[in-house]
Amino acid sequence: DTGVSQNPRHKITKRGQNVTFRCDPISEHNRLYWYRQTLGQGPEFLTYFQNEAQLEKSRLLSDRFSAERPKGSFSTLEIQRTEQGDSAMYLCASSTGLAEYNEQFFGPGTRLTVL
Amino acid sequence: AQKITQTQPGMFVQEKEAVTLDCTYDTSDPSYGLFWYKQPSSGEMIFLIYQGSYDQQNATEGRYSLNFQKARKSANLVISASQLGDSAMYFCAIDAGANNLFFGTGTRLTVIP
Repeated sequence: DTGVSQNPRHKITKRGQNVTFRCDPISEHNRLYWYRQTLGQGPEFLTYFQNEAQLEKSRLLSDRFSAERPKGSFSTLEIQRTEQGDSAMYLCASSTGLAEYNEQFFGPGTRLTVL
Repeated sequence: AQKITQTQPGMFVQEKEAVTLDCTYDTSDPSYGLFWYKQPSSGEMIFLIYQGSYDQQNATEGRYSLNFQKARKSANLVISASQLGDSAMYFCAIDAGANNLFFGTGTRLTVIP
């Protein structure tokens, strides 16, 4: 499989619990992005990595959210003390950053439901 | 700051007909790129077509073409010969050098047999 993969695909948790999502980008892609998509909206940018360095973070990324990409390959997104407002689809994307345009390839997403 | 406006929450098209999905944008950056993505019910965002701000010609990719009017800041997607599999959400997005894509709210396209 040469596409972006995300695990788990679905996660149901109770308010206050911690959750962690994983993203495996396309192997030769050095850029990795996390987006959040709520119902009826387009994806909203959360954070961006170039290799293992986290270079940008959105204001949407509160201190309960943390993302890592320790070896410049896969990435994890952790949400601590989940709230019902965190219920959303979390999308990961990757790109080479070298093409004429920075086409981002998206994974299937992780749908989080906080009860 | 960037802004994408998609004013059509939903559109219907007869199978085999053409349909235009509207997108207007706003950015202060002189160099930018405009993207269209398709999101079927499975959730994955599928890249369709790209238009650079300095491209002289409208982009085309198979049945997809982009009607780019820079002065009007519009980048409408035209889908020709609609197929049932085209039923999905369609998002317009802009990349203005901010290392991320800024998306509109999308248009839900339904193709009628």
